[in-house]
Amino acid sequence: NAGVTQTPKFQVLKTGQSMTLQCAQDMNHEYMSWYRQDPGMGLRLIHYSVGAGITDQGEVPNGYNVSRSTTEDFPLRLLSAAPSQTSVYFCASRRQGADQPQHFGDGTRLSIL
Amino acid sequence: SQKIEQNSEALNIQEGKTATLTCNYTNYSPAYLQWYRQDPGRGPVFLLLIRENEKEKRKERLKVTFDTTLKQSLFHVTASQPADSATYLCALGRRGGYSTLTFGKGTMLLVSP
Repeated sequence: NAGVTQTPKFQVLKTGQSMTLQCAQDMNHEYMSWYRQDPGMGLRLIHYSVGAGITDQGEVPNGYNVSRSTTEDFPLRLLSAAPSQTSVYFCASRRQGADQPQHFGDGTRLSIL
Repeated sequence: SQKIEQNSEALNIQEGKTATLTCNYTNYSPAYLQWYRQDPGRGPVFLLLIRENEKEKRKERLKVTFDTTLKQSLFHVTASQPADSATYLCALGRRGGYSTLTFGKGTMLLVSP
């Protein structure tokens, strides 16, 4: 049981490049989320999904796209990378039910030059 | 705007003592509160959930209290060990099936032998 798997673990991009951060979970969780974590700030929600085909914006969605074609996968796309998007990105999943615990991946460390 | 405050300074204690971490919030009416542990380079790991109608929850050496009048949660680690050294995050959630979590910035706990 792998839990939540994020790839890649590290990535360096140039300004203006695009890329997709991958997230997969094997727990059959309906609810998946993407967060970014910056020094001195809490985890901030970027986008989330309550099931395949359903996504919604979180607190800081600008510059990011998501889609959810399967229960297992929830990729995060950076359309045109900017230095302000340098961060650590975490994907999480949970069962349906508001107070269910979130299961996090180990993050993707992204630097944009 | 809603605000969650956790001590930004690290808490240093000696092995065997009880560590107490604080999570205060304003402009928020959480239905539940969760505590997570985060080790360097890893994603957060769920520890405990406490709901608004609960005063206290325990799990092994961990204890959480929730005071909705004071708008505060306390997280206690009793008989602390160096392996308890980590950053601890509190997260608040509202009612509703699509409820999203709002995270505090976390407090680092350092337990010395």
